[in-house]
Amino acid sequence: GDSVTQMEGPVTLSEEAFLTINCTYTATGYPSLFWYVQYPGEGLQLLLKATKADDKGSNKGFEATYRKETTSFHLEKGSVQVSDSAVYFCALSTSGATNKLIFGTGTLLAVQP
Amino acid sequence: KAGVTQTPRYLIKTRGQQVTLSCSPISGHRSVSWYQQTPGQGLQFLFEYFSETQRNKGNFPGRFSGRQFSNSRSEMNVSTLELGDSALYLCASSLDSVPYGYTFGSGTRLTVV
Repeated sequence: GDSVTQMEGPVTLSEEAFLTINCTYTATGYPSLFWYVQYPGEGLQLLLKATKADDKGSNKGFEATYRKETTSFHLEKGSVQVSDSAVYFCALSTSGATNKLIFGTGTLLAVQP
Repeated sequence: KAGVTQTPRYLIKTRGQQVTLSCSPISGHRSVSWYQQTPGQGLQFLFEYFSETQRNKGNFPGRFSGRQFSNSRSEMNVSTLELGDSALYLCASSLDSVPYGYTFGSGTRLTVV
């Protein structure tokens, strides 16, 4: 079945460091891909999305490119801040009438000043 | 624009009891989905409703049920609670199919004792 694999955390970085969180997927058809972020004690917030191959999603300095050839959707940010500390989830949604998000296990990011 | 509202935020119940959680989607959103988040299993899809009809269901026992009203508000019910039902329950709404993506509520934290 469809699945999402994320790099294990936690990821600990110093402020202004470069961030990469790897995400690969397995899916039939042409899924849409998402990154969600969860701050402590809160629900999920959509960070960015991409709906077809080679699309680049971007928001708040974060970027991810939908790579069909490598089935990947890696999250990157050039310079992280302490306020970026959170859990990041990669997710996919299969096409068709059955809306359902399949999530990766999440990656905890801790940014130190 | 109001977001997705979930009530209550916190709930403590005893084993064997039943519980009802409520979700009010963003105005105009007709698709409402429910997810369970636990440390061990991560984020798992429970079910999705669209225009008062259950459109998709995850792999949960029949003790988990839901419904959607004509104003798109949704409730989920868990009967005969077990300790393992302790989780953060998240509701998400969307216009319809992805790639619009979902907007999540802050969740209801259910603790079963």
